[in-house]
Amino acid sequence: SQKIEQNSEALNIQEGKTATLTCNYTNYSPAYLQWYRQDPGRGPVFLLLIRENEKEKRKERLKVTFDTTLKQSLFHITASQPADSATYLCALDANDKIIFGKGTRLHILP
Amino acid sequence: EPEVTQTPSHQVTQMGQEVILRCVPISNHLYFYWYRQILGQKVEFLVSFYNNEISEKSEIFDDQFSVERPDGSNFTLKIRSTKLEDSAMYFCASSEAGLKYEQYFGPGTRLTVT
Repeated sequence: SQKIEQNSEALNIQEGKTATLTCNYTNYSPAYLQWYRQDPGRGPVFLLLIRENEKEKRKERLKVTFDTTLKQSLFHITASQPADSATYLCALDANDKIIFGKGTRLHILP
Repeated sequence: EPEVTQTPSHQVTQMGQEVILRCVPISNHLYFYWYRQILGQKVEFLVSFYNNEISEKSEIFDDQFSVERPDGSNFTLKIRSTKLEDSAMYFCASSEAGLKYEQYFGPGTRLTVT
């Protein structure tokens, strides 16, 4: 069956450290993988998109990798801050639909 | 900065009633979407709309659901006869031509069916 799995429901990271979130998928062949941020009661906010032929993408303190062999994407936040605390969603394209993972709740501890 | 807007922010309705959720996508965007998120669960794709027609829909989007772009700015989701299990947050999203998978979401409408 098709699945998108994001590591641990919640992740606690000390301020200033790098947070690394994982997205694994099975039985999909996405051409695009996206990461979104969602705060409680709010809509998802687009952060980064990476294409299947790209290994890595960066935007300010964010870095995404995409390994189509491992069927995995890693999302890194460097120099993390308490304001980075949120749920981070991985999403991929599947036959013109966008399929979301359940998300990882990230807590940056001051 | 342009943003997607949705109205109402919260809608309470009785089972069996019709509801219309409204969205104003970002003005130069050409792709429009509806998603729902049941409390504590993941964001689920409902439907995508391009060039005045549905381009893709999920198995959730059955005959009780319909979408419309009645004018150049609004995009609506209608649920004909609401069920208790339709209670959820409904998000509208839009994206530019050529950047279909960079989607910009609205703040959502919380639908409560009693």
